[in-house]
Amino acid sequence: GAGVSQTPSNKVTEKGKYVELRCDPISGHTALYWYRQSLGQGPEFLIYFQGTGAADDSGLPNDRFFAVRPEGSVSTLKIQRTERGDSAVYLCASSSQSGGLNEQFFGPGTRLTVL
Amino acid sequence: QQQVKQSPQSLIVQKGGISIINCAYENTAFDYFPWYQQFPGKGPALLIAIRPDVSEKKEGRFTISFNKSAKQFSLHIMDSQPGDSATYFCAAHGGDNFNKFYFGSGTKLNVKP
Repeated sequence: GAGVSQTPSNKVTEKGKYVELRCDPISGHTALYWYRQSLGQGPEFLIYFQGTGAADDSGLPNDRFFAVRPEGSVSTLKIQRTERGDSAVYLCASSSQSGGLNEQFFGPGTRLTVL
Repeated sequence: QQQVKQSPQSLIVQKGGISIINCAYENTAFDYFPWYQQFPGKGPALLIAIRPDVSEKKEGRFTISFNKSAKQFSLHIMDSQPGDSATYFCAAHGGDNFNKFYFGSGTKLNVKP
């Protein structure tokens, strides 16, 4: 079956612009995670959804970052007033149950470059 | 403060050799310790995982050794193959935040033919 998909695969933007990154989880997966992976580092937790609600957004670095999952499936990570330091690979993962003890399936990521 | 410390940063092993990657953690409330394999341009994929009530878990050529008292765990890849060349991440789940996974900084493994 289809895995987690993320679009776009690459996004280049200018400092100060607004970007949206999309995640399509595996059908039926209720849990969805966003991570940020900087070069040479492991994924860093950003936000966790259980269904439509953001159950934990403690990893969002500041109020320029926001994510939604209005129908409990597709999620969009939104970054306002982008900064060069936001450049990274943004990974999405989904899981069949909450709490994370079931396997997380990662998408290929969106590589964001802020010029 | 990094919750999970991973070493080495990079590793070169000859084909057929044993690759060993180590991780250490501080938070005794962590309840699940997975290892992920990541190829360039791909997302991480779960390789093997262990819970703290078990000291060892083996799946094929991959083994996790877990030392609860030392708060350390390691991944052993037996009979390493060139196809195993990838970046490996250890992770820990839970602690003060039931929803979070904390990842190590990664080990880039190169298995030479």
